[in-house]
Amino acid sequence: KQEVTQIPAALSVPEGENLVLNCSFTDSAIYNLQWFRQDPGKGLTSLLLIQSSQREQTSGRLNASLDKSSGRSTLYIAASQPGDSATYLCAVDNTGGFKTIFGAGTRLFVKA
Amino acid sequence: DAGITQSPRHKVTETGTPVTLRCHQTENHRYMYWYRQDPGHGLRLIHYSYGVKDTDKGEVSDGYSVSRSKTEDFLLTLESATSSQTSVYFCAIKETTNYGYTFGSGTRLTVV
Repeated sequence: KQEVTQIPAALSVPEGENLVLNCSFTDSAIYNLQWFRQDPGKGLTSLLLIQSSQREQTSGRLNASLDKSSGRSTLYIAASQPGDSATYLCAVDNTGGFKTIFGAGTRLFVKA
Repeated sequence: DAGITQSPRHKVTETGTPVTLRCHQTENHRYMYWYRQDPGHGLRLIHYSYGVKDTDKGEVSDGYSVSRSKTEDFLLTLESATSSQTSVYFCAIKETTNYGYTFGSGTRLTVV
């Protein structure tokens, strides 16, 4: 059974710092992995999606990597800003793409 | 965006009453999902649909039913609401190109 873990559960950093959020999964037979951002009281906003055959995806200051063999994905945020404060979730789709396992999220606070 | 609208945005209802939540999408997506999000449990799948009149159960389907009579609408019904169903409910679609999710803004349901 696929399990998805995000460590740490919470992270506080000063503005301007580069940071890495981690997502681990137990079954490497995945179809894709998606990173989301969730602001308090809001829905999930998709940030990046990495297909099983890809190693990384980039969007602006965000870079997501995928290493299936080690069961890990990282979300790199460059030059963090207070507006990046939110909860970041990763979600893993098992082969077939019909069922998804979500991590519990990392709550990020960027201090001005 | 995928043009997903959830209604109502907020609802308070009494124990034992039926409640229906609506998810409406405007882009003819085949796959639609209902999740609930609770502190300590993360996102859990209630039901999903892979076409008109084609639905299946998720991991927490007890006490819930769904219907999809049109491509654009996916309804979630709590047959007899209980306090344990107090939660935030999210509808989502999944693209058939890359199987990435787009989420609606959520419905906050309180059962008193």
